Amino acid sequence: AQTVTQSQPEMSVQEAETVTLSCTYDTSENNYYLFWYKQPPSRQMILVIRQEAYKQQNATENRFSVNFQKAAKSFSLKISDSQLGDTAMYFCAHAGGTSYGKLTFGQGTILTVHP
Amino acid sequence: NAGVTQTPKFQVLKTGQSMTLQCAQDMNHNSMYWYRQDPGMGLRLIYYSASEGTTDKGEVPNGYNVSRLNKREFSLRLESAAPSQTSVYFCASSGSRGRLSTNYGYTFGSGTRLTVV
Repeated sequence: AQTVTQSQPEMSVQEAETVTLSCTYDTSENNYYLFWYKQPPSRQMILVIRQEAYKQQNATENRFSVNFQKAAKSFSLKISDSQLGDTAMYFCAHAGGTSYGKLTFGQGTILTVHP
Repeated sequence: NAGVTQTPKFQVLKTGQSMTLQCAQDMNHNSMYWYRQDPGMGLRLIYYSASEGTTDKGEVPNGYNVSRLNKREFSLRLESAAPSQTSVYFCASSGSRGRLSTNYGYTFGSGTRLTVV
């Protein structure tokens, strides 16, 4: 069974600074996807970034980038130039290639951006 | 707007009552899912439907039933609600056909906050 672990229940950062959220996972599959989702107080689940396991290049989306270490099964999210609107719960998630798209989520990290 | 629509957004039930959470997607996705979100536990899969006509248990299926009515709709039923089922419920859909593709997409509904007293 896949597991996803986020060891940081809460993080805080000053506006305009950089913060990194950690995620580790365990899987027996070779083909899989990893995701970071943002959940603001509105409760909506918003996709931040996605990484395909077969791609060695780390995914980037504007101010968001990941550090994907496949051998170590680590998938951290770096947020650069943090903005007040980045304040939210962040979830790391895994979907295996043979799991019909079922997502396994980590426990979540609450990120607070301070002005 | 295309997406996943969940109803209701809020619900309060008494212990032992039954209810059905409705979910519909208009993205022509094959797979649909029901998750529950509890503090400190992330989202956990209750049931999923890989394609129309099929349903399977997820991580926490006890106390729930599902129906994949057609390709668009996937409902979750609580037959006899218990306080332990107080949670936020999310429906989601994906374009996965069982094998991940480069166009893999995943869309969530806005959630249902259910309280069982």
